[in-house]
Amino acid sequence: GAVVSQHPSWVICKSGTSVKIECRSLDFQATTMFWYRQFPKQSLMLMATSNEGSKATYEQGVEKDKFLINHASLTLSTLTVTSAHPEDSSFYICSARDPNRAGYEQFFGPGTRLTVL
Amino acid sequence: AQTVTQSQPEMSVQEAETVTLSCTYDTSESDYYLFWYKQPPSRQMILVIRQEAYKQQNATENRFSVNFQKAAKSFSLKISDSQLGDAAMYFCAYRRRYFGNEKLTFGTGTRLTIIP
Repeated sequence: GAVVSQHPSWVICKSGTSVKIECRSLDFQATTMFWYRQFPKQSLMLMATSNEGSKATYEQGVEKDKFLINHASLTLSTLTVTSAHPEDSSFYICSARDPNRAGYEQFFGPGTRLTVL
Repeated sequence: AQTVTQSQPEMSVQEAETVTLSCTYDTSESDYYLFWYKQPPSRQMILVIRQEAYKQQNATENRFSVNFQKAAKSFSLKISDSQLGDAAMYFCAYRRRYFGNEKLTFGTGTRLTIIP
């Protein structure tokens, strides 16, 4: 149980285009999902907290107009990187907490590698 | 603000031996959770072990155990009988307990190499 998927696993796009990444909780309903960014050999940096049916909460320094987050259902959150540039190339990871499980651990998706040419 | 520090960027251990990864944290809260996550080369984050701050007993999961020292704000991970599959990045993480949407705060990670 508590499986989180991401799609796509790898995407290459041209500079200036937009890319959408999906995060799904497969066997539980997640009212809250989290989006992280990870640079090579570095830790995970929280970008935003995605709440079902309401606006996302962005961390300081993260451009909300560039990284659009939509959490339209209890099992799906999307991250759209708008007008992507090479500096947006990174590994993006989502996670979700199963509210029916004690312990408050987050379950992570397998990540999406974004390369912007 | 809470901070998590992992002072060992890299560690190595002989297969079948025991290794301990260090983690310290800073918080003014009294009730919280601590986690160790493993990130293998596939980059899938996997929960290794969890500790509730209100529990005095150290958590154990098979070959993995922690040494939780609340007063010292220390949370080390011991891996016994190391196996090749244990090679990965290990991240220590902190979370306050009573907040449903509370975020995780991660340390910078320790890369563990297993020597055959």
